[in-house]
Amino acid sequence: DSGVTQTPKHLITATGQRVTLRCSPRSGDLSVYWYQQSLDQGLQFLIQYYNGEERAKGNILERFSAQQFPDLHSELNLSSLELGDSALYFCASGKTGGQAFFGQGTRLTVV
Amino acid sequence: DAKTTQPPSMDCAEGRAANLPCNHSTISGNEYVYWYRQIHSQGPQYIIHGLKNNETNEMASLIITEDRKSSTLILPHATLRDTAVYYCIVGSSGYAGNNRKLIWGLGTSLAVNP
Repeated sequence: DSGVTQTPKHLITATGQRVTLRCSPRSGDLSVYWYQQSLDQGLQFLIQYYNGEERAKGNILERFSAQQFPDLHSELNLSSLELGDSALYFCASGKTGGQAFFGQGTRLTVV
Repeated sequence: DAKTTQPPSMDCAEGRAANLPCNHSTISGNEYVYWYRQIHSQGPQYIIHGLKNNETNEMASLIITEDRKSSTLILPHATLRDTAVYYCIVGSSGYAGNNRKLIWGLGTSLAVNP
């Protein structure tokens, strides 16, 4: 158990819909990272938040957005969903200078 | 941040050492080398990281060449449970530092055979 909690574990939705993925980082970790992993692909970095502020952006689509709240939990919002958005979405948290701890992911299926 | 190159797949016999290479020829002076693994579709698991010196922990050893352009992850006595995809990534000032655009490749799929 990494200490990072992601909900829901599975999500099935229709094209054009909007979903919200939630991540609770490990206690005390200020950084939250979001990744997307499509079938048989490596992890694609989406975005990083540090103590409530956006710190780095990767290959995140304009239809996607994220935020980190004062209690440090984070949400990834995916809108106008397309079939190609079906993937595993991972959240990770960590402290400055240390390694990252990953949650078990949310498997999103867009039908 | 620097990119890494890893062989797409490797095999290892159970009980033997697994040596997984990684090339990071464009690594910068302040960039660490991190190794993670992903078992099936679970969340990646941290293994080890290092800057210049060789490192060892309860899971593995990390050997970094003197010029820091490549490294090797060593699993000393591989078991069937070590079958996973192993990722080598580089990041400056620690993985969880600020302003990081972290690049993960496709990793090495390690198959440990009985």
